[in-house]
Amino acid sequence: AQRVTQPEKLLSVFKGAPVELKCNYSYSGSPELFWYVQYSRQRLQLLLRHISRESIKGFTADLNKGETSFHLKKPFAQEEDSAMYYCALSRVSNYQLIWGAGTKLIIKP
Amino acid sequence: EPEVTQTPSHQVTQMGQEVILRCVPISNHLYFYWYRQILGQKVEFLVSFYNNEISEKSEIFDDQFSVERPDGSNFTLKIRSTKLEDSAMYFCASRDSGGAEQFFGPGTRLTVL
Repeated sequence: AQRVTQPEKLLSVFKGAPVELKCNYSYSGSPELFWYVQYSRQRLQLLLRHISRESIKGFTADLNKGETSFHLKKPFAQEEDSAMYYCALSRVSNYQLIWGAGTKLIIKP
Repeated sequence: EPEVTQTPSHQVTQMGQEVILRCVPISNHLYFYWYRQILGQKVEFLVSFYNNEISEKSEIFDDQFSVERPDGSNFTLKIRSTKLEDSAMYFCASRDSGGAEQFFGPGTRLTVL
């Protein structure tokens, strides 16, 4: 079965602390993995995709096929990082997205 | 920068009524999607649309649902006879042919009373 799991509903860290949002997936083929972010009262927007291997707003995510994980990391959290973060898997057939439940990240001052 | 737009932002309807949710995808995009998110639950895929036809639909997308691209710019989701459990946030998304990134609209919150 194709599934994305984000085990943490809520993650609260202090400003300047490292952040890791966990994502595990289950997919029979070669997945394409994404992180989407939704800031308060804004639309869902793409943060990262695994094939681009870039750092956006200080965030990185590495696809680990052995552990079927795609964890999102940032070494020093900023207050403006507070948002909902969704991990999603794209089916190659039509790029339909399969979503995790989301993690609410709160950065405390 | 072009954006996906959705109207209305909030729709309240009585159970059994028909609703039409409207989306205007980014103009050069060819692939369109509807997702929904029931409060407190995951975002769920409903349907994908390409070349004026449904390319894939989920189990949620039953006979009560339909999609249409009536005029080359709008992309609509119709629910024929709404049920209480249709209350959710409905997101439209579009993408171009070059890649997998989907661009999302702000969503329509549907409340069925």
